[in-house]
Amino acid sequence: DTAVSQTPKYLVTQMGNDKSIKCEQNLGHDTMYWYKQDSKKFLKIMFSYNNKELIINETVPNRFSPKSPDKAHLNLHINSLELGDSAVYFCASSLRGGRNTEAFFGQGTRLTVV
Amino acid sequence: TQLLEQSPQFLSIQEGENLTVYCNSSSVFSSLQWYRQEPGEGPVLLVTVVTGGEVKKLKRLTFQFGDARKDSSLHITAAQPGDTGLYLCAGDRRSGNTGKLIFGQGTTLQVKP
Repeated sequence: DTAVSQTPKYLVTQMGNDKSIKCEQNLGHDTMYWYKQDSKKFLKIMFSYNNKELIINETVPNRFSPKSPDKAHLNLHINSLELGDSAVYFCASSLRGGRNTEAFFGQGTRLTVV
Repeated sequence: TQLLEQSPQFLSIQEGENLTVYCNSSSVFSSLQWYRQEPGEGPVLLVTVVTGGEVKKLKRLTFQFGDARKDSSLHITAAQPGDTGLYLCAGDRRSGNTGKLIFGQGTTLQVKP
């Protein structure tokens, strides 16, 4: 059973398009995240949701809008895609009440904007 | 400004050699974690260190948390080709019960047979 699954794994699209990435976790975690990994492999947090409530919102352009219909799902919608949005996007989950933030990651979505 | 400095960024060694990866910061973290990432996959948690001075072992991997909880190291003994991958340290910055992981730049390790 896949713990954190995200779709699609690969996404190639033209500049200006709108696209969505979906994420689901079956670990019973209450917190979900979106991370962006750039071409140099640097991983940076974008958003965090706890029980459908936004709790972390880093300085991310407004074109990025996360949506959490329930605590097991966190989707990422991106409007007006730009070349600089090309990266690998990772969904992750954890238990907020735990002493440590131990994150479980999905396989990633490689987004290429052409 | 990079909060967590990881070094070296690249390491290519022969099978059987030992290596150490460092993760340094001027900030204190409530805990520090090490992840390993393989190509096309997401990072996988290896270990969490919580107490200053703590040492944890995972087979040939030894993890240490600095006394002041600002730095950590990962030592691999007798590296094997299966150890090849991207190693990431991540510090947990907590505000109340909300945690936020700050990642280092990563160390790409290649172990040649």
